[in-house]
Amino acid sequence: ELKVEQNPLFLSMQEGKNYTIYCNYSTTSDRLYWYRQDPGKSLESLFVLLSNGAVKQEGRLMASLDTKARLSTLHITAAVHDLSATYFCAGDNNNDMRFGAGTRLTVKP
Amino acid sequence: DAGITQSPRHKVTETGTPVTLRCHQTENHRYMYWYRQDPGHGLRLIHYSYGVKDTDKGEVSDGYSVSRSKTEDFLLTLESATSSQTSVYFCASWTGRLTEAFFGQGTRLTVV
Repeated sequence: ELKVEQNPLFLSMQEGKNYTIYCNYSTTSDRLYWYRQDPGKSLESLFVLLSNGAVKQEGRLMASLDTKARLSTLHITAAVHDLSATYFCAGDNNNDMRFGAGTRLTVKP
Repeated sequence: DAGITQSPRHKVTETGTPVTLRCHQTENHRYMYWYRQDPGHGLRLIHYSYGVKDTDKGEVSDGYSVSRSKTEDFLLTLESATSSQTSVYFCASWTGRLTEAFFGQGTRLTVV
């Protein structure tokens, strides 16, 4: 059974700073996903990572995947307040999709 | 955005009563999922479906059953609701290929 662990669970950042969220998973995952959730809202897809070494970037967010280490990272560059949200990573093993506990990010001025 | 809707969006029910939540998707996605979201636990998989009448259990399936009689509909039933099932429930659908899953807006269920 695939297990997904994220850290940190809570992250308070100042605007303009950089930080990384880590996502470890326990067994082979066919794909790795990152989602964003705003309070009271549904989940919005950010990235889908399909293979070892995959790197995707959108604005101030960059996600990468190391399948050998079973690790994905979400790097935040020069954080802005609009990035405040909860970020989830998820993996799937044979279409059984499991999520991490989420990282609640707060960006302060 | 994928067309995926959940109903009802909010429900309050009494302990011991049966409850059915509905997920409807218009994308002809093969896979559908039910998750519950609770503080500190992220999203936990309840059940999922890989085709009409094909379902499997997730990590927190006790007390829940599902049915999928049509590609577009995936029903989650709480046979006898308990207070521990108070949660926000999300449905998702997915093609099973190289894309992400799409989520419904969630159902907030309160069992009193």
